[in-house]
Parts: sequence; C-alpha cells; structure tokens
Amino acid sequence: DTEVTQTPKHLVMGMTNKKSLKCEQHMGHRAMYWYKQKAKKPPELMFVYSYEKLSINESVPSRFSPECPNSSLLNLHLHALQPEDSALYLCASSQDGRTDTQYFGPGTRLTVL
Amino acid sequence: GIQVEQSPPDLILQEGANSTLRCNFSDSVNNLQWFHQNPWGQLINLFYIPSGTKQNGRLSATTVATERYSLLYISSSQTTDSGVYFCAQYGNKLVFGAGTILRVKS
Repeated sequence: DTEVTQTPKHLVMGMTNKKSLKCEQHMGHRAMYWYKQKAKKPPELMFVYSYEKLSINESVPSRFSPECPNSSLLNLHLHALQPEDSALYLCASSQDGRTDTQYFGPGTRLTVL
Repeated sequence: GIQVEQSPPDLILQEGANSTLRCNFSDSVNNLQWFHQNPWGQLINLFYIPSGTKQNGRLSATTVATERYSLLYISSSQTTDSGVYFCAQYGNKLVFGAGTILRVKS
C-alpha cells in the first residue's frame, strides 16, 4: 500500500480561525513532509520530519505550526492566516528522508477569507 | 542550489500521438523523480530514475546522469494523460521543475 491520506479535502477559514490539517501514512515510512503549492506553480517544501523530529523548516511563518505525534501522523496547525496563504497543501512521506522516493497525498485545498 | 528546468512548458497533443518531455538539472543527481499531477491536484509517482531507463506501460523514462538530463516518453497518448508533469531532483530537499502542462485532445 503506497497511500498517504489527508483530511480535510477542502477547508475555508477566516483570518482569525484556528484549524488543523491532518496527514497519515501506514507504509512504515520515517520521514514526512509538508509542501505548499500555489496555482500554476510547483510544490514548495515547508517542513520535514525525520524519525519524528523536525529536521527542516524552510523559514515558514510561525502562523504555520507542524506537529508529528507519531511516525504515522503529521499535522499542520493553522492560526491567523492571510489570504495569500490560500493554496493546495500537500503531505508526503518517504522511507528515511534521504534520497528515496516520496509519496504524496491528495492534498488539502485551503481558502483563507 | 539545485536548478531544475523543464521543457516544453506547454504541450497540446491529439489523442494517440507520442511526446517527449525533457528535464535538465544543474547538479549531479542523487534522486530524480517524475510525477504526474492530475486535474484534482494529486501528485502521482511515475518514476524514480537517478540513471538508466525504465518503462511502465505507455510511459518510459531515461536519465543520462553524466549529461544532467532526463526524458519522459509518453506513447499513444490518452485524454487521461492530461495534467502537469513535474520532474524533481533531490539535493538536501526535493526541488521541482516548473512543470510541463500537457493537454491531450480527443
């Protein structure tokens, strides 16, 4: 099974709301990733967790807060977002976070009003 | 940092036609992946191909690491092949090219 699941599929939130995106994988992978993709652009890396520790933060604003409760789950907590944060948020996982294949979830399409 | 360039940026095909997409990269390759992003946004793994040639049905890919390019071949295209094709190279993170938008017309 090479499936990464994400919930919710769509999310609309106001600038004062707090919400969370969830990602899950059951492939035994030890690296998980959050990417942000704006329309007509490629995905851009936000965070990497390797063995449940944050290993890369690509200078992401603090209104995005990642969390890795265990090796199968990855959350992205959202607070006080701006309209320009509207995008497709993609989660991925890979075996160990080095040069191995990354598998992507279907994404959460976020709209910030 | 790593630079990944894809060509052409846009491609329109008649159903049944063949096509070649190209990916040039700036650094020696540790990992090169090809993805297809469907109209709903799902990124689908096509190939993990740091070197050599692989085939999967109507798709095949070749990476020539010494010359820093990779090619994705699509034969007998179908409307379901439409979408965006990305190549991505791994340095300390996966860096994507800008993508090739493919439209297959019936």
